[in-house]
Amino acid sequence: IQLTQSPSSLSASVGDRVTITCRASQGISSFLAWYQQKPGKAPKLLIYAASTLQRGVPSRFSGSGSGTDFTLTISSLQPEDFATYYCQQLESYPHTFGQGTKLEIQ
Amino acid sequence: QVQLVQSGAEVKKPGASVKVSCKASGYTFSNYDINWVRQATGQGLEWMGWMNPYSGNTGYAQTFQGRVTMTKNTSISTAYMELSGLRSEDTAVYYCAKYGDYKYSLDVWGQGTTVTVSS
Repeated sequence: IQLTQSPSSLSASVGDRVTITCRASQGISSFLAWYQQKPGKAPKLLIYAASTLQRGVPSRFSGSGSGTDFTLTISSLQPEDFATYYCQQLESYPHTFGQGTKLEIQ
Repeated sequence: QVQLVQSGAEVKKPGASVKVSCKASGYTFSNYDINWVRQATGQGLEWMGWMNPYSGNTGYAQTFQGRVTMTKNTSISTAYMELSGLRSEDTAVYYCAKYGDYKYSLDVWGQGTTVTVSS
C-alpha cells in the first residue's frame, strides 16, 4: 500500500490553521497514524486510528478520514509545531509511511 | 515510564553485519510486538519489519528479506535487529518502536542508533 502525502512542504505562520493530507493507494479502514519528527529526534505519535489523539498531545492537533483519504489538522500553529509530519498505515504489511511533510516557518 | 533504549552508534565496513539492541522497560515486554524502522540522512521513514517477543515470530519487508534477522531475549526484555551484507546505502538511523493497543500505531520509540557503513 502506497501513501501519498501533500504537500511535501508547507510554509506557515504562528497562529495559522494548516491541513496535511495522506492518500492511500487502497482502502485501509482507519488503520492510520500520524507522527511528528523534529531534527535529530525519534518520531512522536500524535494521532492513531485516524482520529484518536494520543495522550498528552495538545488538542490543537486533530485527524480525520477513513478508507483512502485522511487529514491531519493543526488548528493554531505554535512555534514548537514546526517539524516534519508522517502518516503511516498499519492495515497490512509492510506498514508503509508517507514521504513526509516539512512544515516551516513563513 | 514506558521506555525503549537502544545500543550505541556503530561503524561497519561494507559486507559486514551489525546487530542493534532495544531494551524495553516500564511494561510487559512480551505483550507488544517490536517494529524496526530506519531513516537515511535527510530521507523519510522506512519500515523494516516486526517481531513478536512472546512467540519470536517475525515478518520482514521484502526489501530486507534474506538480510535482516529480528530476535529477542525475553529474560532481559531486549529485542535485536541484525542486518547483514551491509552496503553504503544502509547508512541510516535505526529505530525500534512498540505497537500501541490493537496495533493502531507505534506508540513508543527508541532514541535511534546510527549505523555508518564506510570503507
